[in-house]
Amino acid sequence: SQQGEEDPQALSIQEGENATMNCSYKTSINNLQWYRQNSGRGLVHLILIRSNEREKHSGRLRVTLDTSKKSSSLLITASRAADTASYFCATAPRVTGGGNKLTFGTGTQLKVEL
Amino acid sequence: DAGVTQSPTHLIKTRGQQVTLRCSPKSGHDTVSWYQQALGQGPQFIFQYYEEEERQRGNFPDRFSGHQFPNYSSELNVNALLLGDSALYLCASSLVGTDYGYTFGSGTRLTVV
Repeated sequence: SQQGEEDPQALSIQEGENATMNCSYKTSINNLQWYRQNSGRGLVHLILIRSNEREKHSGRLRVTLDTSKKSSSLLITASRAADTASYFCATAPRVTGGGNKLTFGTGTQLKVEL
Repeated sequence: DAGVTQSPTHLIKTRGQQVTLRCSPKSGHDTVSWYQQALGQGPQFIFQYYEEEERQRGNFPDRFSGHQFPNYSSELNVNALLLGDSALYLCASSLVGTDYGYTFGSGTRLTVV
């Protein structure tokens, strides 16, 4: 089953605008990761934020994590047409003894128009 | 540095048949996980292999089985295929004890007719 929901399900913006996607999850986590998927192909890891972190940056990406609300957001600044893709959040559980299976959200389809 | 390699890229099978999908992990990685992604959905965890053993399993029937070889490569086997098994099957590799994120392959698109 899916861990949580992503919001919005679809987002259409103009090139140069910022895109914000939100993710909610249900259980305690070790970390939360964001992935991009182009046209049903493989997933590309974008950024990982650990449960004791509140904000992280990587290039044009900014991720926030609020463990009290069990939510995260991904901000893509100055979007480009090449950012058009589906974006998924995925959580790794807080477990002992190893094992770091990911539980994915439902995804946000981002379309960046010229 | 080669990433994760999956084969074949596309496959069409008939209901009731069996299929084997293959995955070579990224160099330096020792853990392989398999995911099923139905159209329009997020990936669902099938199972994870480490040290040639299944370490974790998702909510998938026994028709789904796997194997990991000494060189860390892995196979996913699905028996008695159903129409509902049609999906993109993704392999992801990682290094145990780290949380740097997974490296995914491009997937195998399985169509069951």
